[in-house]
Amino acid sequence: EIVLTQSPATLSVSPGESATLSCWASQSVNDNLAWYQQKPGQAPRLLIYDASARATGVPARFSGGGSGSVFILTINSLQSEDFAVYYCQHYNTWPPWTFGQGTKVEIK
Amino acid sequence: QVQLQESGPGLVKPSQTLSLICTVSGGSITSGDYSWTWIRQPPGKGLEWLGDIYHSGSTFYNPSLKRRLTMSVDTSRNLFSLRLNSVTAADTAVYFCARGGPSGANWFDPWGQGAPVTVSS
Repeated sequence: EIVLTQSPATLSVSPGESATLSCWASQSVNDNLAWYQQKPGQAPRLLIYDASARATGVPARFSGGGSGSVFILTINSLQSEDFAVYYCQHYNTWPPWTFGQGTKVEIK
Repeated sequence: QVQLQESGPGLVKPSQTLSLICTVSGGSITSGDYSWTWIRQPPGKGLEWLGDIYHSGSTFYNPSLKRRLTMSVDTSRNLFSLRLNSVTAADTAVYFCARGGPSGANWFDPWGQGAPVTVSS
C-alpha cells in the first residue's frame, strides 16, 4: 500500500497571501495524483487530477505540480472560501487508492 | 450533470450489517468506463477508500475490509450499493459514494453529500 504524507498538518495564512501544500508518496505514483478540498459538513471537491490538471470550474489560483513521489498544491491569493482541509490521493496502477492525512488551511 | 445520493439507515447495531445505496441521476451508470466508489470518513478523521465497482459487476476492495465488504450494482435502477457486515464502533463514519475517473483514472468526481452512520447499541 502506498502511503501519502502531507505537510504541514496546519497552515496559517492571511487572506490574499499564497499557500504551498506538499504531498509525499512512499513510492512513485507517476503523475497519478489528485487533490481535493473539503469544507466542514461537505463532501470533498476534486480540484486537481493527473498532478496538474485543474478540474472543471476550479479557479486558476489553484495549481498542482510534481511527479513521481513529491507533489505540491499552490493556492495563490487566498480567498475566504479557500480556508478548508486539503487532501491528496493517489490512483497509480492498482488499488488500494489512498489519501494523505490532510492539511488544514486556516486564517492567520 | 451526474449527481449521486446516498441513502440508508443512520444507526446500526454492533455485529449487524451496514447497508447503503447510492443512486445515480443525470446520467447512466453504464455510460462510459467509470468506476463507482465508496469512501468513508470517521468523525474528525481523514478519508478511507473502501472499494470500486464497475457496471459489469467487477469489484476492487480495500484489503483491510475485504472479508466484510460486498458491493453490487443494479443497472436497471441506476444505483450501486454497499454491505459491510459484522460492524463495530470503528465503522462509525460518514459514507460517501463517488464516481471514479474515466478509463481507470481513479480520481473521484462527483461525490454524493455523504451518509452519516453510527454503530451503537
